[in-house]
Amino acid sequence: SQQGEEDPQALSIQEGENATMNCSYKTSINNLQWYRQNSGRGLVHLILIRSNEREKHSGRLRVTLDTSKKSSSLLITASRAADTASYFCATRGSGGSNYKLTFGKGTLLTVNP
Amino acid sequence: EAEVAQSPRYKITEKSQAVAFWCDPISGHATLYWYRQILGQGPELLVQFQDESVVDDSQLPKDRFSAERLKGVDSTLKIQPAELGDSAMYLCASGPGREYVEQFFGPGTRLTVL
Repeated sequence: SQQGEEDPQALSIQEGENATMNCSYKTSINNLQWYRQNSGRGLVHLILIRSNEREKHSGRLRVTLDTSKKSSSLLITASRAADTASYFCATRGSGGSNYKLTFGKGTLLTVNP
Repeated sequence: EAEVAQSPRYKITEKSQAVAFWCDPISGHATLYWYRQILGQGPELLVQFQDESVVDDSQLPKDRFSAERLKGVDSTLKIQPAELGDSAMYLCASGPGREYVEQFFGPGTRLTVL
């Protein structure tokens, strides 16, 4: 079953614009991760934010986490055509030693040159 | 840079045939995951190994799917018999089995069942 729900399902922007994707989840988490998937390929890890963190940056990426609202957002600044991909949030539940991730359905981002 | 290897990359089979996928995780990674990803959806966990032991196979359709990681290194996922609804991308991932660490994904096997 999918834990996270990304919003929007699809997003089309022009190169140079910012892209914001949102993720909502249902149960308490240990951490939340964002992954990118180019068409027909495997997933690439982008960034991990722990449940006690509120914001994290990595290059052109900014992730926020609001555990009270059970939501996260991923901001990609100054987008490039190469950023065209599907973006997934994934959550790891709190407690235990099971490191499995539960993925959302993803946001398909298209960056037009 | 170390990568997760999967083979084959593509597999076309007919309904009721048997198929097998292979995964070689990053050296030293204790945890290994098999995911199924239907087109337009996110990956869903089928089975998780810690070394050679199954930690979670609650979503694995055990009447037709089996997975093994005999020596705690590489792993095989088998489907027998394949059904039309099994057409999907099968992704393998590995991780060191520690807190706050990402999973590393292979390129996947695209299965088409005719």
